[in-house]
Amino acid sequence: QVQLQESGPGLVKPSETLSLTCTVSGGSINTDDYNWSWIRQRPGKGLEWIGYIFKSGSTYYNPSLKSRVIISVDMSKNQFSLKLSSVTAADTAVYYCAREGPGGSGTYDSWGQGTLVTVSS
Amino acid sequence: DIQMTQSPSSLSASMGDRVTISCRASQSISNYLNWYQHKPGRAPKLLIYAASTLHGGVPSRFSGSGSGTDFTLTISSLQPEDFATYYCQQSYSSPPYTFGQGTKLEIK
Repeated sequence: QVQLQESGPGLVKPSETLSLTCTVSGGSINTDDYNWSWIRQRPGKGLEWIGYIFKSGSTYYNPSLKSRVIISVDMSKNQFSLKLSSVTAADTAVYYCAREGPGGSGTYDSWGQGTLVTVSS
Repeated sequence: DIQMTQSPSSLSASMGDRVTISCRASQSISNYLNWYQHKPGRAPKLLIYAASTLHGGVPSRFSGSGSGTDFTLTISSLQPEDFATYYCQQSYSSPPYTFGQGTKLEIK
């Protein structure tokens, strides 16, 4: 049973870069079967897909965030990461990592429990 | 982007009740519709994919139906562990795959 766990700072200052890591256990990230995604939930809002990365390093981002997002993968550590630049209070959210698959189905069959990131000075 | 609208936004029910949650898409999405259960502080769980296919390990009291723009999640007999927030999500065409705003199921 694959498990995902988010980690990173819980507080980020405005205009700085939010950085989170998702550690995958119980399965390899180096697989053709899945994409690895980031999703967030801002207070009082629904879930918002941020983007995904495939093992090859190819990425796809939500157009609404594309200019500020970078998702990367570290096969040696079985991790993938999110960087969101120039953050504002509107980026305060619970951030989830999730596995999408198989075959880019758009179905998220495993999730981390989420990590709250607050943007504040 | 395709907009997903759930109703109701909250629902009070009792143990053993039959409960139905609706989800409507702003355009036809065939059967590319998934349902998730989310409890506070926990990882969301996939319940149903492709509108009506139960994900592995999900109890049979959960069922999904619909196609096109209108979909339903039904819980046939509520159990204590079912009180949670439920989200629908479309996976039609290419990303961004969008979610409904959620339905919070509470104990009456």
